[in-house]
Amino acid sequence: AQSVTQLDSQVPVFEEAPVELRCNYSSSVSVYLFWYVQYPNQGLQLLLKYLSGSTLVKGINGFEAEFNKSQTSFHLRKPSVHISDTAEYFCAVSEQEYGNKLVFGAGTILRVKS
Amino acid sequence: GAGVSQSPSNKVTEKGKDVELRCDPISGHTALYWYRQSLGQGLEFLIYFQGNSAPDKSGLPSDRFSAERTGGSVSTLTIQRTQQEDSAVYLCASSSTGDGDEAFFGQGTRLTVV
Repeated sequence: AQSVTQLDSQVPVFEEAPVELRCNYSSSVSVYLFWYVQYPNQGLQLLLKYLSGSTLVKGINGFEAEFNKSQTSFHLRKPSVHISDTAEYFCAVSEQEYGNKLVFGAGTILRVKS
Repeated sequence: GAGVSQSPSNKVTEKGKDVELRCDPISGHTALYWYRQSLGQGLEFLIYFQGNSAPDKSGLPSDRFSAERTGGSVSTLTIQRTQQEDSAVYLCASSSTGDGDEAFFGQGTRLTVV
């Protein structure tokens, strides 16, 4: 069974600084990887996903993530954050087998300060 | 509708009562997920449907929880004899096939057991 670990529950950062939100997963088979974002009082929406191919994936709002199979990681990065990036970010994994469930990490709250 | 619809949006119930939560997925989506989001707990997987069948119901916390999906569309999550620890936001999501597709989330049902 797959599992996801998000190593930081909260990440405070100043506006225009770079940020990295860490995600590690475990699975015995190949996986699909996702990052979702939940803005305050809103539903979850997809930021980006890795299915196959290039290990560097670009998403919305200037975010990108890199899949590292040897380290079983899928860390999310942004070179310069904005106040509007304040939200909770969830990493998720699904095993590459038709009809498999999506499992989420515990989430990381990104707080951008001015 | 255009998105995943959940009803009711809020539900307050007395301890010991039964509740039913409804999810109307995006039309044509075969995969449907239920999650529970408690304060500081991230998204806890409850059950996953592929069509009308539930290949993975491993996340249901006790036999008081059950779910069904009829006609490959609407799903109902039922909690019997509710307890205070059942208080949470219950989220439903659907995806086209479940195989690496983006999961679209509803706004959730906030359940409060008093």
